[in-house]
Amino acid sequence: DVKVTQSSRYLVKRTGEKVFLECVQDMDHENMFWYRQDPGLGLRLIYFSYDVKMKEKGDIPEGYSVSREKKERFSLILESASTNQTSMYLCASSLLDRGVTGELFFGEGSRLTVL
Amino acid sequence: GNSVTQMEGPVTLSEEAFLTINCTYTATGYPSLFWYVQYPGEGLQLLLKATKADDKGSNKGFEATYRKETTSFHLEKGSVQVSDSAVYFCALRGSTNAGKSTFGDGTTLTVKP
Repeated sequence: DVKVTQSSRYLVKRTGEKVFLECVQDMDHENMFWYRQDPGLGLRLIYFSYDVKMKEKGDIPEGYSVSREKKERFSLILESASTNQTSMYLCASSLLDRGVTGELFFGEGSRLTVL
Repeated sequence: GNSVTQMEGPVTLSEEAFLTINCTYTATGYPSLFWYVQYPGEGLQLLLKATKADDKGSNKGFEATYRKETTSFHLEKGSVQVSDSAVYFCALRGSTNAGKSTFGDGTTLTVKP
């Protein structure tokens, strides 16, 4: 069964801490995405990547960075966590050559609380 | 830019009732349209999709038809079950905007026995 795995389901961090959220997919997908999900706001794209070592800003990149050193792994980094980054974070992947017809495959999410 | 507007929730229905969740979109070009479902405690998963005008996507008794003339992709099911309780997201993936997906705000459905 194809899978997107997020390393932590639940995290609690303190303001100012550096936070790493890891995502691994086993489907050999080129595209990988990080979203945050907040009540009443739906899903908002933070960053995405179409290839190793490549990254593009999404709609809300401020306060975040990403790393894609290997095709299967896409990491989201909060350099200095703040309380307004308390949220559910969702990783997703898709095939590049399916273009716009290809669906996203999601991980189960990482719920981050920043105190 | 692209946008998706979903019927506001939450929606509460009795088992075997008819379900409609409205979704309209704004996009340039020829987007693909998707419905994703999120069960409690899980990530999103694809429910159905349609990639061109007049296509009908269907899965697990759910259906949605890509209507370009009304820019809509309404989700329907003839008889809901308790197990359909979840959050439903309408989304599009545009031919412009680097193929990024745009999501609606989600509609929470609760089905009571």
